[in-house]
Amino acid sequence: EAQVTQNPRYLITVTGKKLTVTCSQNMNHEYMSWYRQDPGLGLRQIYYSMNVEVTDKGDVPEGYKVSRKEKRNFPLILESPSPNQTSLYFCASSPATEINEKLFFGSGTQLSVL
Amino acid sequence: QKEVEQNSGPLSVPEGAIASLNCTYSDRGSQSFFWYRQYSGKSPELIMFIYSNGDKEDGRFTAQLNKASQYVSLLIRDSQPSDSATYLCAVSRYGNNRLAFGKGNQVVVIP
Repeated sequence: EAQVTQNPRYLITVTGKKLTVTCSQNMNHEYMSWYRQDPGLGLRQIYYSMNVEVTDKGDVPEGYKVSRKEKRNFPLILESPSPNQTSLYFCASSPATEINEKLFFGSGTQLSVL
Repeated sequence: QKEVEQNSGPLSVPEGAIASLNCTYSDRGSQSFFWYRQYSGKSPELIMFIYSNGDKEDGRFTAQLNKASQYVSLLIRDSQPSDSATYLCAVSRYGNNRLAFGKGNQVVVIP
């Protein structure tokens, strides 16, 4: 089944404890992206990647890192999480590098930073 | 001005009625326009996209685009309880590789 898989689904952590949210897609998509969704603010892009070893900042990259060593994987790293990073995170992928085709979203990761 | 605005509050419509959602965008260079549906606790899923001025119909959904007015709308005809969800407008500038989302509009279809 074609899908974008995010793990974990829920995560509670404490301030400053490094964490990684994994994202993997099995559709051979070139484009992958991370979003966070907050009430009243909607979906905001954190980072995106057009291909292996190519990443770029979105609207809210501060406090996050990403890497794209393989086409299928695009992990989101929080080196020192803070409470303002408590949010619902979505990974997404797309077959087209011009993002004119639909995004396939993962199921989301609800992160709480205490 | 926000890049993509969806200003309407929650929309309650009777079953069988038409739900109308509006979205405005600020970047005149935007080329692609999308409507995503998001059920509570779920991820967004694409329901419509439109690139050209005018109307585009797909089943009970119609997207309308007016680039001169920088306005895109979504009509849901014969609304069903299963249409109760949040609808996200998204806009992309060709070649920008960024998709900007609005905050979303919640639709509640009342049986």
